[in-house]
This record gives sequence, structure tokens and C-alpha cells, in this order.
Amino acid sequence: GAGVSQSPRYKVAKRGQDVALRCDPISGHVSLFWYQQALGQGPEFLTYFQNEAQLDKSGLPSDRFFAERPEGSVSTLKIQRTQQEDSAVYLCASSFGQTGSYGYTFGSGTRLTVV
Amino acid sequence: QQQVKQSPQSLIVQKGGISIINCAYENTAFDYFPWYQQFPGKGPALLIAIRPDVSEKKEGRFTISFNKSAKQFSLHIMDSQPGDSATYFCAASFLGNTGGFKTIFGAGTRLFVKA
Repeated sequence: GAGVSQSPRYKVAKRGQDVALRCDPISGHVSLFWYQQALGQGPEFLTYFQNEAQLDKSGLPSDRFFAERPEGSVSTLKIQRTQQEDSAVYLCASSFGQTGSYGYTFGSGTRLTVV
Repeated sequence: QQQVKQSPQSLIVQKGGISIINCAYENTAFDYFPWYQQFPGKGPALLIAIRPDVSEKKEGRFTISFNKSAKQFSLHIMDSQPGDSATYFCAASFLGNTGGFKTIFGAGTRLFVKA
């Protein structure tokens, strides 16, 4: 597609529920990133894929967070046993280069609200 | 050490005026400094970027000034327009030791341009 597509746009989860957030990057983009953006804050790094390899997951806040990109294109961010502090916008970004040094193209994000 | 500090938090400028947003960093490993523009409900969009071997970069009404020795950089928006009203994020990127590329974002500046 022309841009990075994320679904769903909005997700309301009850505390303790598992959620899965999807990202469709720009076709051919090697690098894929997940960021978490709290209200009024800048995006914070969660994890990075180069093709299907997850090269950096140092930003994942706990072992309840899991990301995958099995075929090197679509990626899913899964959050198990959601907590209220998980409420945020989850942004996916992709980049053509292997290092992302050309800048990212972000999707519009998934706003997760945990009640 | 990986923080990027951004100021001011918010900025009000008259139409036609100059908007100036400042950022500072500590980590000398950063080698790419992008600025992103974000409108409500959208993901951040790359606006302009600079590498540390350049002191200034201009694209249209947007200029980045970079001071490597002071570890500071700034965004100048000339002839500011109401359509420029958005949140602006400075960022700094580096290649991590896992081979992954990481971008650290500032906290953002909410710019409002008065007509």
C-alpha cells in the first residue's frame, strides 16, 4: 500500500484481556519498528525488526509484551493480561533502509484503552 | 544518556512569525537527527533531518541548525502559518550494538500559530 496501515484504530480492553495489534508496513520496507506513545509524550521505542529478525526488543516494558514478524512483512504486537498502564497509542513505523537512517514512515497508530 | 531534551513544551506564534524549537542530547553516538510533525489522530511524519557533519539544513520554510560541540540542534519555521499548528518532535538516532537502529524522541512541542 501507499502507507503504513495499522488496525484496529481503537481498541478497548478489559483489564486482564489479551490484545493483538496489527501493522502492515510499506511494501519492500526492510525495517519495522513499534513505538508506544503516552498522552502528551513523545513516542518511546519498543522493538525493531529487520525483515523477520527481531534485532532489538529492549524497549518492551515487560514479558507481557510480544512482537512478531514471521514473514518479514506484516507484524503483530501482542499484549497479554493488559493493565491500565498499557493504555497508550501504539505506533508502527517502517523504513526502506536496513538501519532506518532515512527516517521512518509511521502509521496512524492504535489507541489502546484498558478499563 | 540516551535522552533528548526538547523545549519549549508549548509555543504560540503569530502568523508570519518565526517558530523556534530547541533540543539537546548527551549521547555522542547519535548520528542522525530528524524532526517529526504530528497532527491529532495521526502518526508522526518526517519533516526534515540532518547529520552531525552539517551545521545547517534548509528545506522551504523549515531550517535545522546543528551545533555539534554544544550537542544542541534547533528547528526554525519561517513565515509560520496556521496550518503549521501541530506537535513537533525532535529525535536522535543511532545504530545499536545489536545491529538495530534506535531513534529516541523528545517530549514534543505543541505549536499554535495564531491567524
